Amino acid sequence: QITLKESGPTLVKPTQTLTLTCTFSGFSLSTSGVGVGWIRQPPGKALEWLALIYWDDDKRYSPSLKSRLTITKDTSKNQVVLTMTNMDPVDTATYYCAHSAITMVRGVITYYFDYWGQGTLVTVSS
Amino acid sequence: EIVLTQSPGTLSLSPGERATLSCRASQSISSSYLAWYQQKPGQAPRLLIYGASSRATGIPDRFSGSGSGTDFTLTISRLEPEDFAVYYCQQYGSSPLYTFGQGTKLEIK
Repeated sequence: QITLKESGPTLVKPTQTLTLTCTFSGFSLSTSGVGVGWIRQPPGKALEWLALIYWDDDKRYSPSLKSRLTITKDTSKNQVVLTMTNMDPVDTATYYCAHSAITMVRGVITYYFDYWGQGTLVTVSS
Repeated sequence: EIVLTQSPGTLSLSPGERATLSCRASQSISSSYLAWYQQKPGQAPRLLIYGASSRATGIPDRFSGSGSGTDFTLTISRLEPEDFAVYYCQQYGSSPLYTFGQGTKLEIK
């Protein structure tokens, strides 16, 4: 059974750095074809993908936020950490981590988010 | 950057009716790279459809997906009370690696 859970501060001040941890179970991030991503959702708004880290430590970032994001993994602890620098009130959102695994669809390799954490609301305010 | 535009923004239907949700991409994408998610209030999204037409594990067969190129559709054949939620389409593979549509809210009429 795959589960993920996000943890971190619920309130950060503008200009501070946010550090979120995703702790998971039911899979290993050292298994070929596995990834963990971060997605956020401002209140009442749509989902926005932030970053993804693969089993081989390949990392991908949203181009619009790349300069502010760092994603890392600790395979021994079954954790993935996302840091976002220079937080602003517009970064107020629920932050989700999600599992992704290699999927073959009509001979094409794809990745989808098939298991999600419950999300954690982060408010940016002074 | 690929932009996904969903329509309508809100769809008001009654239980038992058929729902048709649209997702249009700003440029052609492989159908293998198109997914649909369902999100209920206060919950995380749930994967419904991947590869444009393949149901995820445990998803009832009243949910179906279709489409190719720039136009994709999620159909719910007979609405159940638990189907009223927000639905998002998502593409994988182009920069950015993942893009979500703005969502369609399916509400009870």
